[in-house]
Amino acid sequence: QVQLEQSGAEVKKPGASVKVSCKASGYSFSSFDINWVRQATGQRPEWVGWLNPNNGNTGYAQKFQGRVSMTRDTSTSTAYMELNSLRSEDTAIYYCVRHSDFWTGSYNHDAFDVWGQGTLVTVSS
Amino acid sequence: DIQMTQSPSSLSASVGDRVTITCRADQFVRTFLNWYQHKSGSAPKLIIYAASTLQSGVPSRFSGSGSGTDFALTITNLQPEDFATYYCQQSSRSPHTFGQGTRLEI
Repeated sequence: QVQLEQSGAEVKKPGASVKVSCKASGYSFSSFDINWVRQATGQRPEWVGWLNPNNGNTGYAQKFQGRVSMTRDTSTSTAYMELNSLRSEDTAIYYCVRHSDFWTGSYNHDAFDVWGQGTLVTVSS
Repeated sequence: DIQMTQSPSSLSASVGDRVTITCRADQFVRTFLNWYQHKSGSAPKLIIYAASTLQSGVPSRFSGSGSGTDFALTITNLQPEDFATYYCQQSSRSPHTFGQGTRLEI
């Protein structure tokens, strides 16, 4: 079945980097953008950025520009998100999600239709 | 960024009840509005896209309505598995922002 399998929990010190992986299965990896969304405890989900697995193009939320990098390995259908210069406010569950387009007859609507199980990243000294 | 506001923040209900959660955008988003269900310890799940279209496999007791800036998610005949947190998300303009969530509890 279609699924996204993420790497395990991480504990990092402030200033360090973290790299989270997301392995896709059950569908054509190159056919759907992968987005990353994070959610801190008690907060609403927050979009981090997107990756086009076909050509490697990326786009990041302004607040993460210069600190985040999204890459992929098409040979293993795996997407990666690396976040640098970690601070305590980056403590959150990070989800990779599949971005799908849904044609409703009038417009092309997009949504996140498949979610990974989440990776808890804890930043603490 | 487009701000999304849900109400109520939490809601108590019983099995068999009918509940409605509302979501308001501070800018016009037409029908570019999605709803997700999130159970603790699990990944969020897309239940409605394009404001009113049920995602495949989602029970018909879920329905969505609205357009422009005001939207609603209604669940009829609540089942035990429906108790979760629900989020709206606008997909009209990047970044695709989420509401703060509505926790539906017994």
